[in-house]
Amino acid sequence: DTGVSQNPRHKITKRGQNVTFRCDPISEHNRLYWYRQTLGQGPEFLTYFQNEAQLEKSRLLSDRFSAERPKGSFSTLEIQRTEQGDSAMYLCASKWSTNTEAFFGQGTRLTVV
Amino acid sequence: QQQVKQSPQSLIVQKGGISIINCAYENTAFDYFPWYQQFPGKGPALLIAIRPDVSEKKEGRFTISFNKSAKQFSLHIMDSQPGDSATYFCAASYAGGTSYGKLTFGQGTILTVHP
Repeated sequence: DTGVSQNPRHKITKRGQNVTFRCDPISEHNRLYWYRQTLGQGPEFLTYFQNEAQLEKSRLLSDRFSAERPKGSFSTLEIQRTEQGDSAMYLCASKWSTNTEAFFGQGTRLTVV
Repeated sequence: QQQVKQSPQSLIVQKGGISIINCAYENTAFDYFPWYQQFPGKGPALLIAIRPDVSEKKEGRFTISFNKSAKQFSLHIMDSQPGDSATYFCAASYAGGTSYGKLTFGQGTILTVHP
């Protein structure tokens, strides 16, 4: 499968714990995006990378959230001290910078209990 | 600030009917308008997209109509099928600059096609 891969698919964690999600983009894509989708809503932009550089962060991305893309390939999104309001689907998308189409992974569904 | 507004929230049509979903945007700097289809438990998948230099684009049973002056665009699904039952999102993004490719999504429309 050469699509965008996200792991894990589901994560249940206790409030206050740290969680980390991984995204493996399509191999030739240099742009990688993270979005958050809550139930019944459209995805909301969190942050994006061009190669290893993080170029933009949304105000939704509080200081408990951090994202990295250390070698310009896979990316990780970490949430520290999780809160119940962090429960959502976290989506990753990738694209080539000169193309318009972004391809989404299947997402990681986070449930904070 | 909600920059892309989508309606209706839900839509029920009979098999063979036409499904119409509407979106309106505020930011005139947007110049790429895709529609995504999402099935439960899956990520969004690109269905069809349009640039503002054309007023209509058709791909199979799916058509986007675009009205630049009104800042509105819509998705028409002809001959709707039960397999089209899904959530549909309109979106918008910028042509260039550092925000190129960042998508702003509408709230989504849950489409149900009855057999």
